[in-house]
Parts: sequence; structure tokens; C-alpha cells
Amino acid sequence: QSALTQPASVSGSPGQSITISCTGTSSDVGNYNLVSWYEQHPGKAPKLMIYEGSKRPSGVSNRFSGSKSGNTASLTISGLQAEDEADYYCCSYAGSSTFVIFGGGTKLTVL
Amino acid sequence: EVQLVQSGAEVKKPGESLKISCKGSGYSFTDYWIAWVRQMPGKGLDWMGIIYPGDSDTRYSPSFQGQVTISADKSISTAYLQWSNLKASDTAMYYCARHVRGCSSTSCHLDHWGQGTLVTVSS
Repeated sequence: QSALTQPASVSGSPGQSITISCTGTSSDVGNYNLVSWYEQHPGKAPKLMIYEGSKRPSGVSNRFSGSKSGNTASLTISGLQAEDEADYYCCSYAGSSTFVIFGGGTKLTVL
Repeated sequence: EVQLVQSGAEVKKPGESLKISCKGSGYSFTDYWIAWVRQMPGKGLDWMGIIYPGDSDTRYSPSFQGQVTISADKSISTAYLQWSNLKASDTAMYYCARHVRGCSSTSCHLDHWGQGTLVTVSS
């Protein structure tokens, strides 16, 4: 199975909101409510930001939110801050043969 | 505090074997699936496979089946990723991470990650 499709880059100014899309198929994103999102700063390990589509782990800012429509999931970051500049990866369960598919990643630049 | 601590960076030659490790602490190691995730230089994340340390049940991504071996020693709370015949294309950062409630149609996300092990394969 191919990777989930994310835009290569997005940008926004401090205080603005941005949305990163993640498009899959009816075999993964569209079939399960199991999209998760990870933030990765340069040289660091990924960090879980959203799971099961829209749930936030303890300690993650409520500026981060997730949603899904059909085969496309989205991550929205509101009130952009300089510290949000990072790579963001979506991930979906894809059945008991493939298990997990990641997106190609989106580089967020805070202008 | 949940921690996954990985072994240090490795430099190997093509054809050599390698086993890297991931030691869990701060939780019941045998009760959570551990995944291995590859990140090639400048690239995205690739899920390789998972192991349940409680009984060593192991599943692989089709892309990595037969290419690597995942194992665990529950007596020392450690999971392993190994290669028997390294290639230059295995050069990457490898992360271990914990699946909160396994990986199935009801739950499949990674809540804690190791710091990564950089593997460099070069002649």
C-alpha cells in the first residue's frame, strides 16, 4: 500500500491557524477511525499529538485538533507559535495485513 | 515515567549482521506491544513491525517481512531489531515505540518513543 498523501509544506504566521491534510483510501483512513498525528522536531523522536482521529493525549495543547471526512483526515493548529515549527506525520491503521501506514510528512514553517 | 532507551549508534559494512536494542522502564513491559519504525535520511517514517513481549507474538509489515527480525527478552524488558545481511539501503534512524493498546481495528497509536538508533552501513 502507498503512503498516505500529505502536502510537503505549509506555512503560517504566529497567531494564525493552519490545517494539514492527510489523504488515504477506503482501506485505511476511510475504513477506521484510527488516524494519529505525530510532531517531529529536527533531530528528535516523533511525539504523539492526536490519536483516534481527534483525541489529544494528556499534555498536548488544545491548539491541536484533528478531524476526518471520508478518506481524508486533517490536523489543525490554531494560534500558531514559533515552537510549532516542525515536521508533522499522519498515520493510519490499514488492516491486519499491512497494519500501519504513515504519510510522507509535512514541514510546517512559522513565518 | 515511561521510558524507552535505545542502544547507541552503529557503523557497519555491507553484509555484516547487527542487533539493536530498546529497553523499557516505568511500566509493565510485557503488557504493551513495541513497534520499530525506520526513518531514512531526510525521509518519512516507515512502520516495520511489532512484538508483544509477553509472549513474543510478532507481526511484520509486508515491506519488511524477511528483511529483519524482531525479538524480545521480557526478563530484561528489552526488545530487539536485527539484520543478518546489512545493505547500504539499511542506513537510517531506527525508533522503537510503544503501542498503547496494541495495533488492531480498535486502537493503533504510538504513545512513547525511544530516542532513536542511527545505523550507518558503508563500505
